Amino acid sequence: DAKTTQPPSMDCAEGRAANLPCNHSTISGNEYVYWYRQIHSQGPQYIIHGLKNNETNEMASLIITEDRKSSTLILPHATLRDTAVYYCIVRVRHNTNAGKSTFGDGTTLTVKP
Amino acid sequence: DVKVTQSSRYLVKRTGEKVFLECVQDMDHENMFWYRQDPGLGLRLIYFSYDVKMKEKGDIPEGYSVSREKKERFSLILESASTNQTSMYLCASSSGQGIMNTEAFFGQGTRLTVV
Repeated sequence: DAKTTQPPSMDCAEGRAANLPCNHSTISGNEYVYWYRQIHSQGPQYIIHGLKNNETNEMASLIITEDRKSSTLILPHATLRDTAVYYCIVRVRHNTNAGKSTFGDGTTLTVKP
Repeated sequence: DVKVTQSSRYLVKRTGEKVFLECVQDMDHENMFWYRQDPGLGLRLIYFSYDVKMKEKGDIPEGYSVSREKKERFSLILESASTNQTSMYLCASSSGQGIMNTEAFFGQGTRLTVV
């Protein structure tokens, strides 16, 4: 799996968009970008994934640069409940890999009132 | 909704005890995983299983074993607990059906303290 780099922490005002960056300069052509988050004292929760096109679901949007060396997870209207550690993971998309992700330290997002 | 349930949220065990951590999933998933999570080290994969009675070592299997007798249940066993196994343990499952089903679902975690 390609290595990812994320800032250790970020703050965001409640109701504003939270933009969480991730660098993955060594990503391979068949590797996807996945995002999970972990709210305090809970297990990680899947958010979204993408290959090269931008993706959106009910939780977030994922913007991947054209060269695929970096991406940004966007929470459009952050709430206090979005305070969590956010993990960016890069891996080959196959069902045998789904649970074998390497979770680093992630970004601790704090949403403030 | 997929549910992955770990039998205990908190456990305190003595050094040398045999410890069983149980995980059950209700979505008929083929794949199940055990991680431990420690500050500064992220999540590390201990063991995983793609089918009943099948197991494979992850990145840090030493001191652990697993059992998968039924599809829905994956047990992590600490044969002789040691203080360096004090950690948060997370179970996860994912579907083995369809090559593109690649999301993993995690349980709430078991915080194990070995004294």
